[in-house]
Amino acid sequence: DTAVSQTPKYLVTQMGNDKSIKCEQNLGHDTMYWYKQDSKKFLKIMFSYNNKELIINETVPNRFSPKSPDKAHLNLHINSLELGDSAVYFCASSQFFGGTDTQYFGPGTRLTVL
Amino acid sequence: QKEVEQDPGPLSVPEGAIVSLNCTYSNSAFQYFMWYRQYSRKGPELLMYTYSSGNKEDGRFTAQVDKSSKYISLFIRDSQPSDSATYLCAMSGDNAGKSTFGDGTTLTVKP
Repeated sequence: DTAVSQTPKYLVTQMGNDKSIKCEQNLGHDTMYWYKQDSKKFLKIMFSYNNKELIINETVPNRFSPKSPDKAHLNLHINSLELGDSAVYFCASSQFFGGTDTQYFGPGTRLTVL
Repeated sequence: QKEVEQDPGPLSVPEGAIVSLNCTYSNSAFQYFMWYRQYSRKGPELLMYTYSSGNKEDGRFTAQVDKSSKYISLFIRDSQPSDSATYLCAMSGDNAGKSTFGDGTTLTVKP
C-alpha cells in the first residue's frame, strides 16, 4: 500500500489552463504539505495543513489554492498556469506538526506548462 | 544569500569510497538538522536527523552538526552503487514542520 499517493503523476498542459493535483495519505497523519521542486532540485515548501487547518502559507501566488476536505487529503488547485509553474510538486505528510516528526513524501507530480 | 547552502556537486566516487556531503547555514535559530535521500523520479525520504550539535551514526551513515560553525555533514562509509541519489540537507527551528532545504548534491557511486 502506498503511504502517500498523488495523482496525476504527469501533467502536461497549456499556459492559462486551470489544473488540480490530488494527494492522499493512509498513514493516519494529522499534517500534510505541498512542496515545489524546480529543475535544479531546490525543494521549497508551499503550504501545510494540520487537522484541515492551514498553518503554513509561504509566499506563493494566489493562483495556487490548497484544499483539505479531510485529514487524509490535501489537493492543490492552480489557476491560469504559467510557464514558470513547470516543476515537480510533492505532497508530504507527518504525524504531527513540529519537532523532528518524519515527513513522508509522495512520488511527485511532474507538471509541464507549454 | 540563501539560508542554507549545500555543496553543489555533482559528486562521482568509486564503490567503497568515503563520501562527505556538506551544508552551511546562516540562521542561528535552526535546531533540527535532517538529511534526505532522493532517488531519480522519486520523492525525498528522510535518512537521518539530528537535534542540536553532535554526531549521529546509523550503519554506514554518520551525520555531524557543528552549530558554532553553522556547518553540517553527512558521511557515507563504504559507498555502494545503491547510494547513488541526490542528497538534500534540511533544517528548521522550533517548528520543524517548516524546513528549509539545501539545493541537493547528486552522488554517483561507480561499481
